[in-house]
Amino acid sequence: GESVGLHLPTLSVQEGDNSIINCAYSNSASDYFIWYKQESGKGPQFIIDIRSNMDKRQGQRVTVLLNKTVKHLSLQIAATQPGDSAVYFCAENMGRRALTFGSGTRLQVQP
Amino acid sequence: GAGVSQSPSNKVTEKGKDVELRCDPISGHTALYWYRQSLGQGLEFLIYFQGNSAPDKSGLPSDRFSAERTGGSVSTLTIQRTQQEDSAVYLCASSPRGPTDTQYFGPGTRLTVL
Repeated sequence: GESVGLHLPTLSVQEGDNSIINCAYSNSASDYFIWYKQESGKGPQFIIDIRSNMDKRQGQRVTVLLNKTVKHLSLQIAATQPGDSAVYFCAENMGRRALTFGSGTRLQVQP
Repeated sequence: GAGVSQSPSNKVTEKGKDVELRCDPISGHTALYWYRQSLGQGLEFLIYFQGNSAPDKSGLPSDRFSAERTGGSVSTLTIQRTQQEDSAVYLCASSPRGPTDTQYFGPGTRLTVL
């Protein structure tokens, strides 16, 4: 069946360090992946996406890597800041109706 | 421009009552989605509207849940005879054309059923 999951429920990093949040997916037909950031009391906020014809995409301080061979997705945040503290969700989309979300990883940035 | 808005932000109701949750999508977005997020959990798909097509209701957990989208814009999610397990944050999202576009989320409505 379909599933999108995360390896670590909580990640604690020091301010200024790089953060890596991982996600596994099980459906090889998935063709679009998205990372969302959710702060307490707010809706998910789009961070970055990647399509299955790419293996890397960069944004401002963020990079998403896609390894289709092992069905693995990661989000890298450079020079992590206190404002990056939030829950991060990966989601997959197979061109169907909606997104399938993982359970989330909480990122805690220590000053 | 304005993002997705939802109202109310918080709703407390008694078990057995009906509730209506409202979503105003981003202007011009043809696709609208409802999700449910239980405490500490990921998002669970409920229903999806695309233009004038029949909605995809496959995620609705029971027949107590229903949704409408009037005029291709505002949507209302209705929960009848609420149960305590309905307590969650209900999130609405919209996207320009469909599921392969980025979905933009509203702030959610926190529903508490006593």
